[in-house]
Amino acid sequence: AQTVTQSQPEMSVQEAETVTLSCTYDTSESDYYLFWYKQPPSRQMILVIRQEAYKQQNATENRFSVNFQKAAKSFSLKISDSQLGDAAMYFCAYLEYGNKLVFGAGTILRVKS
Amino acid sequence: DTGVSQDPRHKITKRGQNVTFRCDPISEHNRLYWYRQTLGQGPEFLTYFQNEAQLEKSRLLSDRFSAERPKGSFSTLEIQRTEQGDSAMYLCASSGPQETQYFGPGTRLLVL
Repeated sequence: AQTVTQSQPEMSVQEAETVTLSCTYDTSESDYYLFWYKQPPSRQMILVIRQEAYKQQNATENRFSVNFQKAAKSFSLKISDSQLGDAAMYFCAYLEYGNKLVFGAGTILRVKS
Repeated sequence: DTGVSQDPRHKITKRGQNVTFRCDPISEHNRLYWYRQTLGQGPEFLTYFQNEAQLEKSRLLSDRFSAERPKGSFSTLEIQRTEQGDSAMYLCASSGPQETQYFGPGTRLLVL
């Protein structure tokens, strides 16, 4: 079974600084998707960024970018110019084609002003 | 695109009662998923539908749980004879051909 590990239960970053959240996963498949979702306290799960495994280029969405290392099964999220609104629980998730998402335990991100 | 909606947003019930939750997916999405999330944890898969067909059910989905998606549109998740351990957030998500799952706001269930 696929597993997703987020080794950082909690991270802090100063406003306007950069922070990197770590994620590793385990799979024997070669074709899959990886996602980062953001869940603010008591609010809806929101997609941050997605990466297709067959693409070598790292995905980027505005201030959010990933470092996808397929051989190492690593998928970290970098948030640049952190803002107070970035404070949330961040989940790394793995998806096989047409199947369910497998989530990590999450990383709480705190942003200090 | 109106997003995924769920109803109710909150439900308080007494142990032993039955509850039913509804999910309306994004209109053009043919896949619909149910997940359960307990406090401070990542969501766990319960079941999913492609159109009206229920294709997979998790071992977490005991025989007290049943889900339907008539006509491949909205879905309902029913929990019979609720237990205190059923207290959680129940999340619905939908996806189309691009595979990305979009989540609804969830239904928070509290079983007293």
